[in-house]
Amino acid sequence: AQKVTQAQTEISVVEKEDVTLDCVYETRDTTYYLFWYKQPPSGELVFLIRRNSFDEQNEISGRYSWNFQKSTSSFNFTITASQVVDSAVYFCALSESFAGANSKLTFGKGITLSVRP
Amino acid sequence: GAGVSQSPRYKVAKRGQDVALRCDPISGHVSLFWYQQALGQGPEFLTYFQNEAQLDKSGLPSDRFFAERPEGSVSTLKIQRTQQEDSAVYLCASSEEGENQPQHFGDGTRLSIL
Repeated sequence: AQKVTQAQTEISVVEKEDVTLDCVYETRDTTYYLFWYKQPPSGELVFLIRRNSFDEQNEISGRYSWNFQKSTSSFNFTITASQVVDSAVYFCALSESFAGANSKLTFGKGITLSVRP
Repeated sequence: GAGVSQSPRYKVAKRGQDVALRCDPISGHVSLFWYQQALGQGPEFLTYFQNEAQLDKSGLPSDRFFAERPEGSVSTLKIQRTQQEDSAVYLCASSEEGENQPQHFGDGTRLSIL
């Protein structure tokens, strides 16, 4: 069975601070995909990143960066120089890989990030 | 282009009533997913369609829940004889054909059972 653990439930930072959101996953699959989604107060889940289990390269996109470490089954997300607009609930998710097919997502419980001015 | 559209945005029903929730996926997206999100929790998978075929319904909590996508586009999630524990946000997502493509979510339908 697949499982995603986001141990942090709520994080509060002051604007311009850096913040890291932790994600630990469990799966028996050798091939899988990891995702991060953002859910602002409006409710819509916004896709941020997808990572294949074979690709352990870290990724940076503007103020966002992701650190994938297969050895510790972690896929952590860092926001640099946080802004008030980053306030949202952030979800990490995992899906199995079926050759050429889409698959359901298993989500963690989410981390509520509050960025204060 | 237009994103995933869900209607109604809010639905209030009395216990025992039947409800129908609609999802209009992104045009051309062959995969469609339904999730249930309880307050303060992450979304939980309900069911998955590839075109009109329902390939996975393992997440449907009971036989009161039924989903269809007859023409491979719009989907309807129906809940019969609603109960209070059915109160949640129901999210629909669609994705392009391919391996584990990113799922794009609608705003959800917030269902409240009185």
